[in-house]
Amino acid sequence: DGGITQSPKYLFRKEGQNVTLSCEQNLNHDAMYWYRQDPGQGLRLIYYSQIVNDFQKGDIAEGYSVSREKKESFPLTVTSAQKNPTAFYLCASNVVLGSQEQFFGPGTRLTVL
Amino acid sequence: AQSVTQPDIHITVSEGASLELRCNYSYGATPYLFWYVQSPGQGLQLLLKYFSGDTLVQGIKGFEAEFKRSQSSFNLRKPSVHWSDAAEYFCAVGWGKLQFGAGTQVVVTP
Repeated sequence: DGGITQSPKYLFRKEGQNVTLSCEQNLNHDAMYWYRQDPGQGLRLIYYSQIVNDFQKGDIAEGYSVSREKKESFPLTVTSAQKNPTAFYLCASNVVLGSQEQFFGPGTRLTVL
Repeated sequence: AQSVTQPDIHITVSEGASLELRCNYSYGATPYLFWYVQSPGQGLQLLLKYFSGDTLVQGIKGFEAEFKRSQSSFNLRKPSVHWSDAAEYFCAVGWGKLQFGAGTQVVVTP
């Protein structure tokens, strides 16, 4: 079945450590996105990529980094510079030309202790 | 500035009653419009979408939405709510890169 996978489901890290969240899609989508979700704030865009080896900052990119070396993969690194990293992180993808509908992964809940 | 507003943070509805969730947007041109649903701790699932044509669109799980250009609104409705409809609902607008509303939490009472 085609879809988006995110791993792990739950992630715990100590303050000051970098952590990388995985996102993989087998939908052959061009574009991939990372969102952060906090209670009462909806989804806020961190980074997005419309093509391999290229990505753009979203609304809250500070303290995060990404790479897009393969079409199907878009890992997100939460660095120690992110002041409040505890949140629910969602990955999504869509085709660049077409219905614009974004498909979402199941999310990763990151807790920094 | 582009924005999406969901005026209701929280709605409580009785099972079997009707439900309407509001969404207003501010955008340069009519964007693509979406409604998503999220169960606790899960990803988002698309309920329905509007691009053009008939302004009343049907979605999954018995939901429908009506696009009103004059009001820049895209309200979601369901005639009879089931307990399984308890979730958070997000309106989203845009072209490729979407902007999401803050969400409306729906609670269904017996």
